[in-house]
Amino acid sequence: GDSVTQMEGPVTLSEEAFLTINCTYTATGYPSLFWYVQYPGEGLQLLLKATKADDKGSNKGFEATYRKETTSFHLEKGSVQVSDSAVYFCALSGLGAQKLVFGQGTRLTINP
Amino acid sequence: DTEVTQTPKHLVMGMTNKKSLKCEQHMGHRAMYWYKQKAKKPPELMFVYSYEKLSINESVPSRFSPECPNSSLLNLHLHALQPEDSALYLCASSQLGNTIYFGEGSWLTVV
Repeated sequence: GDSVTQMEGPVTLSEEAFLTINCTYTATGYPSLFWYVQYPGEGLQLLLKATKADDKGSNKGFEATYRKETTSFHLEKGSVQVSDSAVYFCALSGLGAQKLVFGQGTRLTINP
Repeated sequence: DTEVTQTPKHLVMGMTNKKSLKCEQHMGHRAMYWYKQKAKKPPELMFVYSYEKLSINESVPSRFSPECPNSSLLNLHLHALQPEDSALYLCASSQLGNTIYFGEGSWLTVV
């Protein structure tokens, strides 16, 4: 079945550092790929998405590129802020599927 | 504007109580979802409604009873819950086969 493997956390960085959170997937066909973010005490927010190979999703300074050849969707940000501290979930959805397959989540802490 | 509204935000209930969680969306989405999230884990799918009909039930115990009164509303009726059912319950919605948007969640504590 479909699966998502995320970089294990927790990840701790200093403010203004470069961020990469790795995400790889296994799926049949051409899934859509997502990054969701969950701030402390809150629900999930869609951070960005990509629906086909070589698409780049971007939002709030975060970027991720759908790489079919490496089955990856790594999340990057050039300069993180304390306010980026949250749990980040990589997820996929098969074509027409009504289910999201989540990775285990990566807890990110940014120190001032 | 993508918004899914859930009430209440916090709920404490005894094991013999009957309570309900409510969810509303006004984005015209025809699919609505209930997820359960335990601490430090990803959300787990419980139920999916498509066009107000239950399309997926992930073998959820009968003490959880979903209801979709219309295309904008989704309820989760709770009865005879156990302490291990304490969790964050997330409602979500989407156009069919499209991006899923989540609400802020309802924090449930069973005592």
